[in-house]
Amino acid sequence: QKEVEQDPGPLSVPEGAIVSLNCTYSNSAFQYFMWYRQYSRKGPELLMYTYSSGNKEDGRFTAQVDKSSKYISLFIRDSQPSDSATYLCAMRLENFNKFYFGSGTKLNVKP
Amino acid sequence: KAGVTQTPRYLIKTRGQQVTLSCSPISGHRSVSWYQQTPGQGLQFLFEYFSETQRNKGNFPGRFSGRQFSNSRSEMNVSTLELGDSALYLCASSSLVGQDYEQYFGPGTRLTVT
Repeated sequence: QKEVEQDPGPLSVPEGAIVSLNCTYSNSAFQYFMWYRQYSRKGPELLMYTYSSGNKEDGRFTAQVDKSSKYISLFIRDSQPSDSATYLCAMRLENFNKFYFGSGTKLNVKP
Repeated sequence: KAGVTQTPRYLIKTRGQQVTLSCSPISGHRSVSWYQQTPGQGLQFLFEYFSETQRNKGNFPGRFSGRQFSNSRSEMNVSTLELGDSALYLCASSSLVGQDYEQYFGPGTRLTVT
């Protein structure tokens, strides 16, 4: 079993929709949680970074962490065609700069 | 501030050869990590260097090695290339901000082994 599980999609939504992306993990020691966006033929770009359980909002993006369920989510409001990319969740342990990534969910926002 | 740069961007090698990839981190970042990204396995951690020392290591064979120089630039070497080494190799540089490691990726080097 992989330490971080993520549905690969693809996920196709109409422009303006609310998108929900999710990851589950098995290691309860993970303390830091991140979401990256990766466009085709580019490196991943850091979108959101959270430490504790709860919600963190940044513009149209909201990251949610539920440590008791070992479940993290990324919500995108008013999705745009420019949001079409692969979204990767990542997490790491306390005091270790080693990141564990999900396999990525490919999102397509149709105009 | 300039981002993470990687050279070369594309590389084609033959099975059995060796290859060296280069990464220049964001100015001021002392930690450099390397990842392999393939469609089947996703992003897998190779190793992390901090102040010229390997600090963390993933589960890759010894054919994969790296080093870091005093200016924080890093190189990754793969010897005796196999077809399965074809992948996007990503370098990420990190700085410790409080207790947070903020990690930023370069554009990657796409390696094709024939």
